[in-house]
Amino acid sequence: DAGVTQSPTHLIKTRGQQVTLRCSPKSGHDTVSWYQQALGQGPQFIFQYYEEEERQRGNFPDRFSGHQFPNYSSELNVNALLLGDSALYLCASSLYPGQGKAGTFGSGTRLTVV
Amino acid sequence: AQSVTQPDIHITVSEGASLELRCNYSYGATPYLFWYVQSPGQGLQLLLKYFSGDTLVQGIKGFEAEFKRSQSSFNLRKPSVHWSDAAEYFCAVGAQGNFGNEKLTFGTGTRLTIIP
Repeated sequence: DAGVTQSPTHLIKTRGQQVTLRCSPKSGHDTVSWYQQALGQGPQFIFQYYEEEERQRGNFPDRFSGHQFPNYSSELNVNALLLGDSALYLCASSLYPGQGKAGTFGSGTRLTVV
Repeated sequence: AQSVTQPDIHITVSEGASLELRCNYSYGATPYLFWYVQSPGQGLQLLLKYFSGDTLVQGIKGFEAEFKRSQSSFNLRKPSVHWSDAAEYFCAVGAQGNFGNEKLTFGTGTRLTIIP
């Protein structure tokens, strides 16, 4: 049973560029959430997708956008990259409704902006 | 707004000794509470969770945590640590609701070092 799969594992981008990160949820899961974890910090919630719509959003600028596909996989897009966007980006999946369940996290994508 | 405080940035424990990692939360209602562990460069692995019921919850790898509403705490304990327990530990709180426990608020983490 495959868990949450994220790609790529590592990525180096130049300031001002755009990046797309991908997440395949655990089999049977239909909800995907994205988190940003800066070095030495705890993860911070970016947003969450269910039924191809953004359901909740954290305190992140509009440069961060996402998408969910009919097969429940998801993308995180970041435009106009800043040096401060360098972080580990984690995807978590779960099955709606969420009460009584904990999400499953992937291993993350390490983004470095130079 | 919900928040989590992990007062200890770094803890060093001898192998075989007991462990307690502190977590205090702020949330207006009964929260969902979680402890995750993260090895270097890796994702998060769920150790245990509290949603309701018995305030003492058992998790994987011999960990347990106790929910104390009066103290707004959810401390993680292990009676005897192993060298493989060295990692970063995160406490998190989630709001109740259909999507609440997906929107987690994490603490800043406690780094655990094990000495022989």
